[in-house]
Amino acid sequence: EPEVTQTPSHQVTQMGQEVILRCVPISNHLYFYWYRQILGQKVEFLVSFYNNEISEKSEIFDDQFSVERPDGSNFTLKIRSTKLEDSAMYFCASSARTGGPEAFFGQGTRLTVV
Amino acid sequence: DAKTTQPNSMESNEEEPVHLPCNHSTISGTDYIHWYRQLPSQGPEYVIHGLTSNVNNRMASLAIAEDRKSSTLILHRATLRDAAVYYCILRQTYNQGGKLIFGQGTELSVKP
Repeated sequence: EPEVTQTPSHQVTQMGQEVILRCVPISNHLYFYWYRQILGQKVEFLVSFYNNEISEKSEIFDDQFSVERPDGSNFTLKIRSTKLEDSAMYFCASSARTGGPEAFFGQGTRLTVV
Repeated sequence: DAKTTQPNSMESNEEEPVHLPCNHSTISGTDYIHWYRQLPSQGPEYVIHGLTSNVNNRMASLAIAEDRKSSTLILHRATLRDAAVYYCILRQTYNQGGKLIFGQGTELSVKP
């Protein structure tokens, strides 16, 4: 069964460092998303990406964040200068077309900023 | 974004049916009702979705009230593996980007 894969599963970084989280969406999907979940809190939408550009972003997705689809398979989330409050689980998701019917999520990358 | 209201937690016994309620009194005509679940330490997982009619799939059934202001996710025989947080989400199918707005969900525990 096709799945969304994320690497690494756990990343520890020092405050102020840049970090890149990587995702390989399902191959024939067209829409890509990043979500995050701070420990003990709800899953929050960050950004959606379609046709090589951002289609929607949340207030959380400020200038410190960027996304890229550098080739036909990878989808990355970059945080330029990490802060302690960026520590969270980051989930990548993809879907075949707008509205689904379903979005497929990866297992997540746990980012710990120290 | 239209809001949903779910109980914080529910308990079930293994192999018994579970009915997870969701209220969405401000639902609009273009909102689809989606259910996702999140098993411990995993990413969210799609369960089912519907618009007006009741829906069945291999995982669950979705019963939608006639006025669409509430819905119920039905797990016909709960297993220990069904212990998870269940999210009821309204999503506008034709909204560009199709983001999911998660609430707190219902934490379902299943007792053997």
